[in-house]
Amino acid sequence: IAGITQAPTSQILAAGRRMTLRCTQDMRHNAMYWYRQDLGLGLRLIHYSNTAGTTGKGEVPDGYSVSRANTDDFPLTLASAVPSQTSVYFCASRPDRGAAEAFFGQGTRLTVV
Amino acid sequence: AQSVSQHNHHVILSEAASLELGCNYSYGGTVNLFWYVQYPGQHLQLLLKYFSGDPLVKGIKGFEAEFIKSKFSFNLRKPSVQWSDTAEYFCAVNGNNAGNMLTFGGGTRLMVKP
Repeated sequence: IAGITQAPTSQILAAGRRMTLRCTQDMRHNAMYWYRQDLGLGLRLIHYSNTAGTTGKGEVPDGYSVSRANTDDFPLTLASAVPSQTSVYFCASRPDRGAAEAFFGQGTRLTVV
Repeated sequence: AQSVSQHNHHVILSEAASLELGCNYSYGGTVNLFWYVQYPGQHLQLLLKYFSGDPLVKGIKGFEAEFIKSKFSFNLRKPSVQWSDTAEYFCAVNGNNAGNMLTFGGGTRLMVKP
C-alpha cells in the first residue's frame, strides 16, 4: 500500500441496500475526510476525523456514517442507499491542520439504482 | 463557517492563451489556501498552496496564484495554457480556527483547444 487506497473502485448498488466504502492510508496522517463529487457542486465534505477515535459531520452528512477505530482506516457506510447518493466518493488524509496538503484516493464511483 | 466560491464553472481557451480562474473565500480569520487539479479520470493533486509570507505563490506546471487578503481572493493564473492543462480546478480553504476542516469550491472545468 502506498498513500491512500479506496475500495471498491466502482459499485452498482440497489436502493435500500447497505454499503461500506473502504479507505486505508499508510502515511500515519491524523486527519481523514470523505467527500462526494457531483457535477457542478465540486467536492462536498461528508464526514471527517481529526484523529483516531474522533469523527465530525461535514456539509452533507445525512445518510452516511463513519468510524475511526485506528489511524489507518476510515470507512464510510451508507445504511440504506438512495439514488441521490449516486456520486463519486473521495477519501483524503492530511498530516495535521494548517498548511499541510491533503492527499486523495482514486475515488469510488457509486451508482444507486 | 468557511466557504469558497469559484466564479467560472466552465472555461474554454485556445493554446497559448492566458488563464485566470477566480476564487473567493469566506472566513473571518487567518486562512490556508489551496488549488487542486483533477485531470480526466484521476484523483485530485495539489497545484499550489498559500499559508503565509509572499502572497504570490508559484506552483507546479507554471501555475501561480495571488492571495489578496482585502478581497478575500486567491485567483489562479497561468500565462500560456497548453492542451495538457485540460482538467478541473478546485480552490480550497482551511481556516486556522476551523480545525482540520478543508472546504472546496464548486470547481472550474477548463478545456484547452489545440
